[in-house]
Amino acid sequence: DVKVTQSSRYLVKRTGEKVFLECVQDMDHENMFWYRQDPGLGLRLIYFSYDVKMKEKGDIPEGYSVSREKKERFSLILESASTNQTSMYLCASRTLRYDTEAFFGQGTRLTVV
Amino acid sequence: SQELEQSPQSLIVQEGKNLTINCTSSKTLYGLYWYKQKYGEGLIFLMMLQKGGEEKSHEKITAKLDEKKQQSSLHITASQPSHAGIYLCGAPTGAGNMLTFGGGTRLMVKP
Repeated sequence: DVKVTQSSRYLVKRTGEKVFLECVQDMDHENMFWYRQDPGLGLRLIYFSYDVKMKEKGDIPEGYSVSREKKERFSLILESASTNQTSMYLCASRTLRYDTEAFFGQGTRLTVV
Repeated sequence: SQELEQSPQSLIVQEGKNLTINCTSSKTLYGLYWYKQKYGEGLIFLMMLQKGGEEKSHEKITAKLDEKKQQSSLHITASQPSHAGIYLCGAPTGAGNMLTFGGGTRLMVKP
């Protein structure tokens, strides 16, 4: 069974903390994505990576950074967490072929207090 | 940039009823994905459409892509409580590497 695994299901952090969300995939996919999901706004792309050490900004990169040191791992970093970053975060991976589907992790519900 | 608009935003149906969810793109689609999400969980892939006029079915769910490749519909026949969740359409964008999604349709099925 193919898998995308996110390190935490639920996370509570304090304002100003540095937060790391980890995502690992076992499918040897080139592309990896971080989305956030908010009611009424759907999925919005934060960053994606198409190769090790490569990254591209998505629609809402402000306040976030990413790291991809190994092909299977893509980390999302909140440099200084703020309450408006309270959200559901979803990681996904996909091959380079545009006619293939993306596989999603189970999501991390982050609450910043 | 490509935008996907889904309608309706939410839907409540009686068990056994049929329903349709629509996804409209601002640009020609070069692939359209349908996903389902149970509340608070990740997305589960349902099906992908690529060709204009294409139709695919999985159990009681049928998805179609129109001939002009700018609109897709998802139809559920004889809905069941297990169909409840959020349905999202997605499409490749940019150079094809990125995926953009619609706002989602929240479906509730009343027993």
